[in-house]
Amino acid sequence: QSALTQPASVSGSPGQSITISCTGTSSDVGGYNYVSWYQQHPGKAPKLMIYDVSNRPSGVSNRFSGSKSGNTASLTISGLQAEDEGEYSCSSYTSSDTLVFGGGTKLTVL
Amino acid sequence: EVQLLESGGGLVQPGGSLRLSCAASGFTFSSYGMSWVRQAPGKGLEWVSGISGSGGSTYYADSVKGRFTISRDSSKNTLYLQMHSLRAEDMAVYYCAKDRLTISALDIWGQGTMVTVSS
Repeated sequence: QSALTQPASVSGSPGQSITISCTGTSSDVGGYNYVSWYQQHPGKAPKLMIYDVSNRPSGVSNRFSGSKSGNTASLTISGLQAEDEGEYSCSSYTSSDTLVFGGGTKLTVL
Repeated sequence: EVQLLESGGGLVQPGGSLRLSCAASGFTFSSYGMSWVRQAPGKGLEWVSGISGSGGSTYYADSVKGRFTISRDSSKNTLYLQMHSLRAEDMAVYYCAKDRLTISALDIWGQGTMVTVSS
């Protein structure tokens, strides 16, 4: 159950687009369309932003989108806003009937 | 309003035990699987354990298997995590979370409860 691999940090200016990658294996990311993305602000609980690779829960801005290719999933945030700053974590269902998270990526809006 | 409220965290010595609770409201508790996820200070999220809506199936991360037990009481709309043989590396904020439909996505999270393991 090794953690999924995410970049430690990404940054972008308001209005720009950024993409965060999440790399796993064929036993998790590559094997199932069950990748989710969570946003977390300091001292707060995570919030589900994307589920099943590319679906947005009700209330989540359409500036957030997800995709997957092979063993790597990606979260793209377009039209970056100051409120998007925070930590983003991916997760995937695994072949062991468990869930595995990525190490998290800190997004800085410049 | 859908809500999860954890309790039971605190200071425990290495080797000790603690039971966390998570009170659920605003949804049909028995219809959804639930999970515990933890976050050590300054670290990423780590899935700890999950349980099916009926309670008949339970799942654990290798790091806690044999030491932690997840359970639920649908009559009380409450999720539990019994933790034994606690180690320094178990120190974290523990969140309970509701499965959206399956374990693959957690759509509602509690505010978390801190577990400190120290002598």
